[in-house]
Amino acid sequence: EVQLVESGGGLVRPGGSLTLSCAGSQFSVRDSAIHWVRQAPGKGLEWVARIRVKATDYATVYATSVKGRFTISRDDSRNMAFLKMDNLKTEDTAVYFCVSPRRGHSDDAFETWGQGTRVTVSS
Amino acid sequence: DIQLTQSPSTLSASIGDRVTITCRASRSINSWLAWYQQKPGKAPNLLIYQASTSQSGVTSRFSGGGSGTDFSLTISSLQPEDSATYYCHQYSIYPFTFGQGTKVEVK
Repeated sequence: EVQLVESGGGLVRPGGSLTLSCAGSQFSVRDSAIHWVRQAPGKGLEWVARIRVKATDYATVYATSVKGRFTISRDDSRNMAFLKMDNLKTEDTAVYFCVSPRRGHSDDAFETWGQGTRVTVSS
Repeated sequence: DIQLTQSPSTLSASIGDRVTITCRASRSINSWLAWYQQKPGKAPNLLIYQASTSQSGVTSRFSGGGSGTDFSLTISSLQPEDSATYYCHQYSIYPFTFGQGTKVEVK
């Protein structure tokens, strides 16, 4: 089954750091733009960040709420993408989904979703 | 940022009913709008993209329409498995944004 698999979530203190990973399973992460979308408990969806493919210089863009604190990256040799989260705040508590747009598009509807990884920021 | 406002926030309807959810954008997004279905504890699932194009494998009960600022998702004949929360999503301009969601209950 084609899928994205997230890992790295957990409990972290405010001000702490965490790095989430996204691996492709029968899915070529290296050929796809990757986005992160999060969902706070009982709340709606919030787009977080995007990284494009090598051919478009791995261009990144971030939500205002995380800009300067989160860094999206990728390692095409490992078929993986990452979200490094620094200076975490309680409002960053959420399930984080790794997602990929429709094949061949960087900035499009989200066709492939991971199962999500839970991040809890609490003292 | 482009705000997306969905209505209603919740709805309850009977099996076989025709149900419509609307999504209004704070400014024109052409047809760069998608709809997702999310069931509890699961990732969202893409239903419609480019406002009215059905994703492969999605039942024909779901249809989308609209352009500019006003969009709709229609379920032609509500089924028990349609009980879920539905989100619209604009991908016209960054930051991408989502509507607040519409929870659909099947009586």
